[in-house]
Amino acid sequence: QVQLVQSGAEVKKPGASVKFSCKTSGYTFTKYYIHWVRQAPGQGLEWMGLINPSGGGTTYAQNFQGRVTMTRDTSTSTVYMELSSLTSEDTAMYYCAKDDGWYDCWGQGTLVTVSS
Amino acid sequence: EIVMTQSPATLSVFPGERVTLSCRASRSVSSNLAWYQQKPGQAPRLLISDASTRAPGIPARFSGSGSGTEFTLTISGLQSEDFAVYYCHQYNLLWTFGQGTKVEIK
Repeated sequence: QVQLVQSGAEVKKPGASVKFSCKTSGYTFTKYYIHWVRQAPGQGLEWMGLINPSGGGTTYAQNFQGRVTMTRDTSTSTVYMELSSLTSEDTAMYYCAKDDGWYDCWGQGTLVTVSS
Repeated sequence: EIVMTQSPATLSVFPGERVTLSCRASRSVSSNLAWYQQKPGQAPRLLISDASTRAPGIPARFSGSGSGTEFTLTISGLQSEDFAVYYCHQYNLLWTFGQGTKVEIK
């Protein structure tokens, strides 16, 4: 079955960068975009961007332009997201989600805590 | 950016009741709208795609309707496991979410 398994929780200091992963299985990796969505504590869902695993092309939300980088490794069917210049406002759960137009499968989330 | 507005923010209901959640888009998204359910500590789960198509395994008590700018999610006969937060999501032009409606026990 389709699965998206994300890497574990991270604790970072303000100004640092964080990179985490989303390993996919159960489908053809290059056929579906992967999106990243974040959710601050007690808040709603915020779209961050997407990567096309086939060619590596990306589209980022304007709020994250210049701070986010999405990459993929086709040999392991894994996508990565790196977020730089972290502030306390980046403390959130970060989800990857498989694009079928809508999001038919989500990862379990990676909690990122930014604290001095 | 297309802004999605959900109402109400919170809905207090008795088990067994029928509930209707609303989602409005700032401009037309055609039928490119999904609904998700999220329970505490869990990732969102797809309920409805293309405004009215139930995802596999979703009970028939969940139904979606609407097109353009006005959408509704109806839950007929609320079960205890349905108390959660519900989000609408447009994928017509980029991707944006509503702020969510929390369905709580009255």
